[in-house]
Amino acid sequence: DAMVIQNPRYQVTQFGKPVTLSCSQTLNHNVMYWYQQKSSQAPKLLFHYYDKDFNNEADTPDNFQSRRPNTSFCFLDIRSPGLGDAAMYLCATSRTTGLAGVQETQYFGPGTRLLVL
Amino acid sequence: AQKVTQAQTEISVVEKEDVTLDCVYETRDTTYYLFWYKQPPSGELVFLIRRNSFDEQNEISGRYSWNFQKSTSSFNFTITASQVVDSAVYFCALSEAYAGNNRKLIWGLGTSLAVNP
Repeated sequence: DAMVIQNPRYQVTQFGKPVTLSCSQTLNHNVMYWYQQKSSQAPKLLFHYYDKDFNNEADTPDNFQSRRPNTSFCFLDIRSPGLGDAAMYLCATSRTTGLAGVQETQYFGPGTRLLVL
Repeated sequence: AQKVTQAQTEISVVEKEDVTLDCVYETRDTTYYLFWYKQPPSGELVFLIRRNSFDEQNEISGRYSWNFQKSTSSFNFTITASQVVDSAVYFCALSEAYAGNNRKLIWGLGTSLAVNP
């Protein structure tokens, strides 16, 4: 089945130690998103790639970076994790048809739960 | 500003009861999209339905049904004969247009549904 895969499912890192979360997809979707979700909150969009074009949300801290080396893979890099970065990180994809103003469905991976010690 | 309100923070029902989750939205867009997602304890966001603003037909899928009413800016979700497996957090989301034809999702805070045996 076509799907969105996130590895690892659980990640423990130390305060200040860089960490990379990965996402891959077999849906061949051209848009990939990274969300942060803290306990009992709604997902918060960090950034997204429209094909190779990177779109950062205005309030996303500089500590968060992303790479998309090809259509299938996207990475979230946290350069110096703080205790406040402990959260669930969700990757999502969508297929944009190019029709103006159309919002296609976003399909989510299982998430990576990050713990910062 | 565009907004999504899910007034019910938590709902608890007994198995086989019917339950309705409310979603009220605000938007000035004439074309917009509404979504429902389910987030079980495992954390993955599961897509349930997408509805565009021009399609006010109600939708039924098995035990799930959705009532979209533009006159009251509501997109409510009903689970008939609830089951324990329906226990999850349910999010309603509205697509927001920004920077021309770009869109992103505005999320409600979610409703936590507990279905007890």
